[in-house]
Amino acid sequence: GESVGLHLPTLSVQEGDNSIINCAYSNSASDYFIWYKQESGKGPQFIIDIRSNMDKRQGQRVTVLLNKTVKHLSLQIAATQPGDSAVYFCAENMAGNNRKLIWGLGTSLAVNP
Amino acid sequence: DGGITQSPKYLFRKEGQNVTLSCEQNLNHDAMYWYRQDPGQGLRLIYYSQIVNDFQKGDIAEGYSVSREKKESFPLTVTSAQKNPTAFYLCASSGPSGREHSSSTDTQYFGPGTRLTVL
Repeated sequence: GESVGLHLPTLSVQEGDNSIINCAYSNSASDYFIWYKQESGKGPQFIIDIRSNMDKRQGQRVTVLLNKTVKHLSLQIAATQPGDSAVYFCAENMAGNNRKLIWGLGTSLAVNP
Repeated sequence: DGGITQSPKYLFRKEGQNVTLSCEQNLNHDAMYWYRQDPGQGLRLIYYSQIVNDFQKGDIAEGYSVSREKKESFPLTVTSAQKNPTAFYLCASSGPSGREHSSSTDTQYFGPGTRLTVL
């Protein structure tokens, strides 16, 4: 399954499928990007990050892809599990931005058993 | 175990009252942040502090106040001037002693949140 946009869309996938969550970031000068996972009623949790001098970074079951040409960031989750159900946020940071992050609106991922 | 704590988890306020939300971190982070999150929405920055005894307004500072007298603590006061305070409040910190395999000191780490309800 795949989602696009910054208006808190919902992505529904079957357990075991791969998920792709997309994010269109706002500033071409941003040099650092982060994906967070937020479960219901909890604070956001760091998943994976990537710097602008890379176009791909892999973690455990997750991969982040960065396309600077079109200012697009994606999070791929392999073999999606029920525990992956959450809201996923992308965030960007621009050097010299007083250490503030610019946040996307989030995507809700629902995993169907 | 190092981390960020927020208290209380749930808070109820009567209209016209000021309330203070606690945020403490033992990660030795220089920077701390307060966000507000409404149902089904993203995070909006209220205030942030890059160093002790200094803080700056975020995007929605009206009706809120903060202090940063200690590196470990960044309390947020929701004043009676905040017209719609019911929300989920999140505190975060960032700095050189980051964890969870982040490659940047700008990665923010969050507390569990405080849910504030105005009665």
